[in-house]
Amino acid sequence: EAEVAQSPRYKITEKSQAVAFWCDPISGHATLYWYRQILGQGPELLVQFQDESVVDDSQLPKDRFSAERLKGVDSTLKIQPAELGDSAMYLCASSLIAGDYNEQFFGPGTRLTVL
Amino acid sequence: QKEVEQNSGPLSVPEGAIASLNCTYSDRGSQSFFWYRQYSGKSPELIMFIYSNGDKEDGRFTAQLNKASQYVSLLIRDSQPSDSATYLCAVALGTYKYIFGTGTRLKVLA
Repeated sequence: EAEVAQSPRYKITEKSQAVAFWCDPISGHATLYWYRQILGQGPELLVQFQDESVVDDSQLPKDRFSAERLKGVDSTLKIQPAELGDSAMYLCASSLIAGDYNEQFFGPGTRLTVL
Repeated sequence: QKEVEQNSGPLSVPEGAIASLNCTYSDRGSQSFFWYRQYSGKSPELIMFIYSNGDKEDGRFTAQLNKASQYVSLLIRDSQPSDSATYLCAVALGTYKYIFGTGTRLKVLA
């Protein structure tokens, strides 16, 4: 069964360091999402790609976060420098197409702890 | 007002009972609605989606949508301890906007 892959699964870093997360969506899925989920809250969309283009990054803290999907397949989310408040689960999801009737499939997530 | 609202719970039900989870949304233009289950420390997994007013059944799960009241619910029949999880409601607000609620924690007591 096709799955969304993410790595690493866990990351511990010190504040002011740089971290990067990787996501490989389900093959053929044009739309890729990065979410941040703080404990006890729902996922919050950080950035959405349609193929290699960003279509929504309104909630991405652009002073420290960046995301890319250069070839329209896998994607990297980077934080530099990391802050204590960035500790959360970072989830990647993909869907076949964007639009109202799309179903998103989530990867296992990366649990980030900033010390 | 939050765009998607859920009672955080916990909602406790005895094994075998019906669990009823509710979600309200603010944007009348919302077209599609999703229920995800999330076990502690895991990622969300899709349970059901619904687009049209009325009920949609899948096994022990029934999703109910009332667009006039801006309300969507999930019923779980014959609840099992393995159903204990957080249930997230998500609403698609057009092509490029997908909003999650904060989730309702369900506890099924054996």
